Parts: sequence; C-alpha cells; structure tokens
Amino acid sequence: ELKVEQNPLFLSMQEGKNYTIYCNYSTTSDRLYWYRQDPGKSLESLFVLLSNGAVKQEGRLMASLDTKARLSTLHITAAVHDLSATYFCAGDMDSNYQLIWGAGTKLIIKP
Amino acid sequence: KAGVTQTPRYLIKTRGQQVTLSCSPISGHRSVSWYQQTPGQGLQFLFEYFSETQRNKGNFPGRFSGRQFSNSRSEMNVSTLELGDSALYLCASSPLTYEQYFGPGTRLTVT
Repeated sequence: ELKVEQNPLFLSMQEGKNYTIYCNYSTTSDRLYWYRQDPGKSLESLFVLLSNGAVKQEGRLMASLDTKARLSTLHITAAVHDLSATYFCAGDMDSNYQLIWGAGTKLIIKP
Repeated sequence: KAGVTQTPRYLIKTRGQQVTLSCSPISGHRSVSWYQQTPGQGLQFLFEYFSETQRNKGNFPGRFSGRQFSNSRSEMNVSTLELGDSALYLCASSPLTYEQYFGPGTRLTVT
C-alpha cells in the first residue's frame, strides 16, 4: 500500500531565502505529483515527475525525483511572498486510479 | 477550454439529510475522480469513474456513492449526513493520460 509523507508540515521563512520540502513514499509509485493550494481554493498542478532523476523547474520552484530513495523534493529558490500556500505531494499507481496524498506543507513567506 | 466545474460551490445541510454534488469534467475527459478534504484527515480519495464505470473506491462508508453519465458528468451523493462529512469535496477530471485537473470544489457544511 502506497503511503506518502511530507516534511516539514509547516514552514515559515523570509523572502529571499532558499528551502526544500521533502516527500517520501513507501512503495513503488508510477508518478509523483506536486500541487499547490491557496487558502479556500482548489488544487493547482505544479509538476508531474515520471521517472528516476526527473527534474522540472518553473520559476522559483524546482522538483526532483529519486525513485531509488523513494524521495521527491520541491526546492524553493529566493522565496517571494506570492509563493505562500500549502504544497502537497501525491503518488499514484496505474492500477489504482487514485492519488495518494501527503499531509501538505503550509508555507508562509514573510517580507 | 473550460475547466472542471462543480456545483454547487457552497452548501449547508442538516444532519440526517442527503446531498448530491455535481461535477462537469473538461470536454473530452472521460475519467472523473472525487476527493474529500478535511483539516483532520487531509485529502482522501472517494472514487473514480471512467466511461460510466467505477474503477476504484476509497475507504468510505456506503453512505457515499457516485455515478457517471454518458456525457462524463459525474455526481456524488451522501446520504444520512453526519457532522464529520463537513468538508471540501473536490472533483478532478483526466484525459486518457494520468494528469488530473481539479475543479474549484464544493464546500459542504453539516449542522
């Protein structure tokens, strides 16, 4: 059974700093996803990582996947206030047709 | 292309009542999934439908049911509402590939 764990669950940081959110998963996952959620809003897809060593970048966010370590990371570079949100990672398997979610990381970026 | 739409957006019901939520997927998407989001349990998978067939169901009581119509629109129903059913219910649609696109959600409050 796939389980997904994120850490930290809460992160308060200053603008301009770098930080990383970690996502560990318990067994083989066909894909690893990162989503963003603003308060009271729906989920916005950020990245889908398909294979070992995959790296994707969009602006100040970069996601990577290490399938051997069962670890994905979301790295934030030179954080800005607009990146304040809750970030979720999720995994899935072709046979299950469902996303298994981490608990989410609430990120607050202070000016 | 229009995104995933969900109706209603907000709903207040009383314990013991039943409720039906609706989801219209992105045009051409045949897979629809439902998730429940609560502060305590996080994001949990309810069920997934493809071409009117339920392919997977999460660990929820039988009070939670769903269906999909021939035009891919989906409904979920919760009978005999309990206070713990208060949540944000998210619908996601997907083309034949894996990526899921989420709707704005229906916020259900049970009093």
